[in-house]
Amino acid sequence: DIQMTQSPSSLSASVGDRVTITCRASQDIGNYLAWFQQKPGKAPESLIYAASSLRSGVPSRFSGSGSGTDFTLTISSLQPEDSAGYYCQQYYTYPRTFGQGTKVEIK
Amino acid sequence: EMQLLESGGGLVQPGGSLRLSCAASGFTFSSNAMSWVRQAPGKGLEWVSGISSSGGTTYYADSVKGRFTVSRDNSRDTLYLLMDSLRAEDTAVYYCAKRGDSPDYWGQGTLVTVSS
Repeated sequence: DIQMTQSPSSLSASVGDRVTITCRASQDIGNYLAWFQQKPGKAPESLIYAASSLRSGVPSRFSGSGSGTDFTLTISSLQPEDSAGYYCQQYYTYPRTFGQGTKVEIK
Repeated sequence: EMQLLESGGGLVQPGGSLRLSCAASGFTFSSNAMSWVRQAPGKGLEWVSGISSSGGTTYYADSVKGRFTVSRDNSRDTLYLLMDSLRAEDTAVYYCAKRGDSPDYWGQGTLVTVSS
């Protein structure tokens, strides 16, 4: 199975800060990488697919980049409503696998 | 408006069975592969199972293979997950999600608790 490793596991940043979360795959997955946001007690929501394509309705401060084994999710200017858990997921092959998650808190 | 509504969760004893349902509306269910993803209390997301749009191809995580069965009824726009031989470690919120590759819409989830 492909292992997905996210870092950091948690971070605390101020409103307006630029935040970057990384995701590393244990093998080449091309650009078959998605990012999800999950707020406490809620279902996950899709942010990005194909490593860098933004889902309709997602604020433009979110962006994704990378290919192969190394990927990043960037929030260009952190907002209070961005406090949440963030997960990457590979869909290059089955079984699909998620990163362990990154908890983003607002200072 | 797109909607996925899971049901069927609850408390079950170890070794027991449960069938989850996911009723879809607001999109062409029969044209979409579907997924089940779970989240144990305080833990991260774990992919559980996927099924092709026709239902002819299914996929499972190693942790549930041989115990869980995914199916769908495209005439009823409903996805199912039959869970047998349940274990304490299967306790989680179970989400159904639209698409088998990169899910673009998720239901609100149903809680399954396996305990004596």
